[in-house]
Amino acid sequence: GESVGLHLPTLSVQEGDNSIINCAYSNSASDYFIWYKQESGKGPQFIIDIRSNMDKRQGQRVTVLLNKTVKHLSLQIAATQPGDSAVYFCAEKRQTGANNLFFGTGTRLTVIP
Amino acid sequence: ETGVTQSPTHLIKTRGQQVTLRCSSQSGHNTVSWYQQALGQGPQFIFQYYREEENGRGNFPPRFSGLQFPNYSSELNVNALELDDSALYLCASRPDRVSGYTFGSGTRLTVV
Repeated sequence: GESVGLHLPTLSVQEGDNSIINCAYSNSASDYFIWYKQESGKGPQFIIDIRSNMDKRQGQRVTVLLNKTVKHLSLQIAATQPGDSAVYFCAEKRQTGANNLFFGTGTRLTVIP
Repeated sequence: ETGVTQSPTHLIKTRGQQVTLRCSSQSGHNTVSWYQQALGQGPQFIFQYYREEENGRGNFPPRFSGLQFPNYSSELNVNALELDDSALYLCASRPDRVSGYTFGSGTRLTVV
């Protein structure tokens, strides 16, 4: 079946290093993608989004890259800080249906001080 | 503080009981969605309401139902609770079809 999935369930990085979290999606009809950060006991928090007519978008310390050819999405976090430790989800919105989001399983990022 | 408030934060129910979870969205957020997040999983779409009408539903049985009210609040009702209904239930809202979703902190439901 179609799914949004992540390559790695866990990622550990040293404080100050850059982090890259990857995500594969399989539905070519998806036109909008979002990265969320979820800390323990909290709901998903919006980080950055990108539409399918773009291949790169930058925010503060974060960059999202979209490769539609291979249906791949990545989140890059520069100078990773302890406060970045959380579970990161990519989510896709498809052009059909109720415009709801389809989430992957998530990647747990641990920042080592 | 996200502007989306859910209550209660935690709840324990017995199998077979009914439960109502509540969400208060930001003013002007006409679309509200509910998601179920099992432990260690990503959120799964339950259903969505737009201006008090359901306009989309995920793969959940009819015992999951909802309501949306004119004051931007909404409810998720689950009847005949099963053990597998234990999860974090998230409410998300947005003002229009092109904006991103703002999530609440969720209600942790435990069914025993």
